[in-house]
Amino acid sequence: EVQLVQSGAEVKKPGESLKISCEGSGYSFSNYWIGWVRQKPGKGLEWVGIIYPADSNTRYSPSFQGQVTISADTSINTAYLQWTSLSASDTAVYYCARRLTGTTTVDHWGRGTLVTVSS
Amino acid sequence: SSELTQDPAVSVALGQTVTITCQGDSLRSFYASWYQQKPGQAPLLVIYGKNNRPSGIPDRFSGSNSENTASLTITGAQAEDEAAYFCNSRDTSGHQLGVFGGGTKLTVL
Repeated sequence: EVQLVQSGAEVKKPGESLKISCEGSGYSFSNYWIGWVRQKPGKGLEWVGIIYPADSNTRYSPSFQGQVTISADTSINTAYLQWTSLSASDTAVYYCARRLTGTTTVDHWGRGTLVTVSS
Repeated sequence: SSELTQDPAVSVALGQTVTITCQGDSLRSFYASWYQQKPGQAPLLVIYGKNNRPSGIPDRFSGSNSENTASLTITGAQAEDEAAYFCNSRDTSGHQLGVFGGGTKLTVL
């Protein structure tokens, strides 16, 4: 069974750094694109970026380029989303999402990590 | 603003048929996938490709495509189908990352 297990909810202050994680199991982690999707409270879904763990090839949405870093560690089947300096506007649920090869289709989702940034 | 456009809200009487649409230029070249999201839950894939349903998705869900429009049809809507529905496909430049539609809130009356 494919599973994506995300790290727990975080509460941070503006300017702090953060790294959240997504551990994949039940499939060949290295060989599927993994993406991060943001959902602000009461709003829609937005792609943050994607990574191919086998070679760390990464793509970012223009809205997030330079604001976050996506990485992966194939030795522990885990993908990461990282911020060096959070702001209140980063408050959202972040989902990790496994994509079907060659498509934008997400066939498996993590349960989401709620990130709250507040002073 | 999203390059895939969805109506914000749609309603359907219990047991009736409803179609949710997604419009965008990229849909002339690429299929859309559709996701159901209930409050407090992660999205769930319901339709992808030409008209494919993942295992466990009821056959009352179907998809179709015409020119720049992708459609999700629920034939015989049930109370448990009340949710937000999002489409997803490539953007107009065909970039690998893709884009989501703004979502449609389906109410089952």
